[in-house]
This record gives sequence, C-alpha cells and structure tokens, in this order.
Amino acid sequence: EPEVTQTPSHQVTQMGQEVILRCVPISNHLYFYWYRQILGQKVEFLVSFYNNEISEKSEIFDDQFSVERPDGSNFTLKIRSTKLEDSAMYFCASSDQARYGYTFGSGTRLTVV
Amino acid sequence: GQQLNQSPQSMFIQEGEDVSMNCTSSSIFNTWLWYKQDPGEGPVLLIALYKAGELTSNGRLTAQFGITRKDSFLNISASIPSDVGIYFCAGQLGGSEKLVFGKGTKLTVNP
Repeated sequence: EPEVTQTPSHQVTQMGQEVILRCVPISNHLYFYWYRQILGQKVEFLVSFYNNEISEKSEIFDDQFSVERPDGSNFTLKIRSTKLEDSAMYFCASSDQARYGYTFGSGTRLTVV
Repeated sequence: GQQLNQSPQSMFIQEGEDVSMNCTSSSIFNTWLWYKQDPGEGPVLLIALYKAGELTSNGRLTAQFGITRKDSFLNISASIPSDVGIYFCAGQLGGSEKLVFGKGTKLTVNP
C-alpha cells in the first residue's frame, strides 16, 4: 500500500537553529499538508499546499515556518529559528483530492533543547 | 477557532466488549473522519463520512455522520487486544482543506 515517508524519524536541535523536516508524499497525490502534535495533545493543522503554493495556513504557521516542494517528490517544512515550544511530532500528509481523508506519515519527533 | 469535543477521554474494557465514542461540535462540518493512532506512529484513517446521516462500516467498526452535521460516533464491536490505541475524530469544514481534530479517546483492552 502506498505510504507517506518522513525523515528523519527523530531530530534533536539546539534552540535558535534551523531545521528542515522532509517528506515524500504518495506519488500521484496533489495536496500536501503538515500537522503537528505536542506530546499528549491533539493533532493540529499547520499548512496545506497545492499547485506549488500555500493554500491554507493556521495561526501557528508564522514567519518562522516555510514549506517547499523542491522537486517532484519531496515536500519540506523548515523552521528557521527553533524555540523550545516547537518540540513536537510533525506529521506530513497527502491526498489526491482536497475533501477526502488523507494519508499521514509516521512523523518526525523534533526535540528542541 | 473550531473545537471538537470528543468523549470519553479514555476507556478501559474487556476483550469482546463493544465500544462507543463520539464527537460533537458547535460548527457544521462537511466531512467527518475517524483515525487511530498507535504510539510513535501517525494517524491511520479508519472511516470517512461525507454526507449527513451516512452510516459506514469497516469490519468491526461502524461510524455515523450526524444529521445535524455537528456530531459523529464510532462504534467498535467485539473488541480485541489490537484495538488498543488512541482514536481521533476529525472534521473538515466546507471550503477548507484543514482537519480539526478532537483530543482523542485512549482505548485499553484487557485480554
């Protein structure tokens, strides 16, 4: 079964450093998303991306965050200057249509120290 | 922002028992989804509901999209140990791509 692949599975970074989280969505999908889940809490929407541009973003997705689809297969989330409160699981997801339930990756656990 | 109230927060049941959990909201959703999350993994889609009143089954799982479009429930029949995990409801508003998640129901099944 096709799956969304995320790397790395765990990243530890120092506060103030930049991190890039990587995702390979399912190959024929057109809609891409990033969500995050702080430990023990619910999953929260960050951003959606379609046709090479951001289509929707949450208030969490401020100027420190950016997304990119640098080639035909990867989808990245960059955090420019990490803060302690950025520590969370970050999930990438993709879908072939905007309305239907998407497929999530296994996540990247980001720990900011 | 939109809130989904999911209950119960946790459940402890014996293997073979049936389980029911639900989500309610003050907002009207166009789509309701139910996901299961195992520790250290991403949410896995169980059931998707697209029309008010829709009742959909997936094996031992049954979910319904409430008539008012403000609620949904998930039932699991004859629970087994591998049903253990956290179950999340998620709703999608009209005109939006984002999913709004509930806080989850943690299910423990005792053999």
